[in-house]
Order: sequence, then structure tokens, then C-alpha cells
Amino acid sequence: EADIYQTPRYLVIGTGKKITLECSQTMGHDKMYWYQQDPGMELHLIHYSYGVNSTEKGDLSSESTVSRIRTEHFPLTLESARPSHTSQYLCASSVSMRGLINEQFFGPGTRLTVL
Amino acid sequence: KNQVEQSPQSLIILEGKNCTLQCNYTVSPFSNLRWYKQDTGRGPVSLTIMTFSENTKSNGRYTATLDADTKQSSLHITASQLSDSASYICVVSDRGSTLGRLYFGRGTQLTVWP
Repeated sequence: EADIYQTPRYLVIGTGKKITLECSQTMGHDKMYWYQQDPGMELHLIHYSYGVNSTEKGDLSSESTVSRIRTEHFPLTLESARPSHTSQYLCASSVSMRGLINEQFFGPGTRLTVL
Repeated sequence: KNQVEQSPQSLIILEGKNCTLQCNYTVSPFSNLRWYKQDTGRGPVSLTIMTFSENTKSNGRYTATLDADTKQSSLHITASQLSDSASYICVVSDRGSTLGRLYFGRGTQLTVWP
């Protein structure tokens, strides 16, 4: 079992609220990722980070923002949640090792419902 | 366009039976192919990872095959158990970027009945 944690596991909130989804890993991995997944659909990369103070947008446009102030912590924030943000959010991490496969380890996910 | 297609979309089998899941991809340049198991409400967990030079890899009752020429992979599950009920996701990584971009299939939803 990978040491990557997400909180909360489930969140139901009203439209317009600001929320932060937490993700932490204790493996010392430099790369971290956020994915969005709707039921029966593939995972879509929305944010990633190569290391501290590095953040990039992924393939899927997202109104969320991320920060990477510490290696182990990669929170995702929505300033004003809307029903269209209802989805499962998965955090992952990996270590950069030259010549080796960049295996990603996933957290358990946060199921977000915006009413 | 880089894509990963999986079949069937869903599958129901009886406990103890074998099954094979399929994955076709168009990702190029190819780096590696992974199979993940995702239980409902959980994050994906890696089962196998294969590079271009590998054509088969096993992990207990799971055996993955890769044909890099035809860009096809399969995941064979032997003597299925109730705990095998999950979504099985095929993921292909390219080597066109430092990130090692992952391309995800939509998964095959496997249900094992007693």
C-alpha cells in the first residue's frame, strides 16, 4: 500500500463555497499529480508538479488551483465550487529516477459533490 | 491522436472462472504499458508494468501480455475471486516528454459472482 493520503474522502457542499482538497505523501517523491475522474470514464490530468514551487496545468482545463510549498504536500483549491465540479479527484505521486519507469502511486481519492 | 481503447466495457463471470481483458493503443512514441486495478471509491493500484522489450509479466493470478507490433495488450485473470470485482484500467506512457505522460483507458468493469 502506497503512503499517499487524501482528505476528506467525501465532501458535499453548496454552490459558491471555497474548498481545499488535501494530498500528502510520505515517500519523498518529487513529482505529484491531480486527476479528475467521472464514473465510467478515464482519468484526466488537471495539475502536476515537478517539485517544490513548480506547478503546471494538465490536459484537462480546470478552474482549480494548486500549490507546492512542501515536497510532501500538494493541495488543490476551488475558490467557488459549482455543480459542474462534482467528480472524483485523485492525487498521485512518483519519483524521478533516470532510466527507470516513472511509476505513479495513487491516493484513495476525494468524492466531491456540489449541490 | 494518442488513445487507449479497452474491451469489453463490462464483464460478469462466475467465481473460479478465468477471463481476459483487452487493450488497444495508438500512443507513440511508446514507453511502457501498465494495468491498474481500481476498486469502487478507491485509487488505482498497479498490477503490472511492461516495457517495449517485455511481452509477458505475471503478478499472482494476473498475467499481462504485450504485442508492441500490433499495439495490443491483454490481462488474463486466473481462477477469479469475489475480490477481483473492480475496474481494470490499461494505461500507456509515452516517452515524448520529461513527464512521461500517461494515457488512460476507460477501464473494464469486472464483476465476479459467487
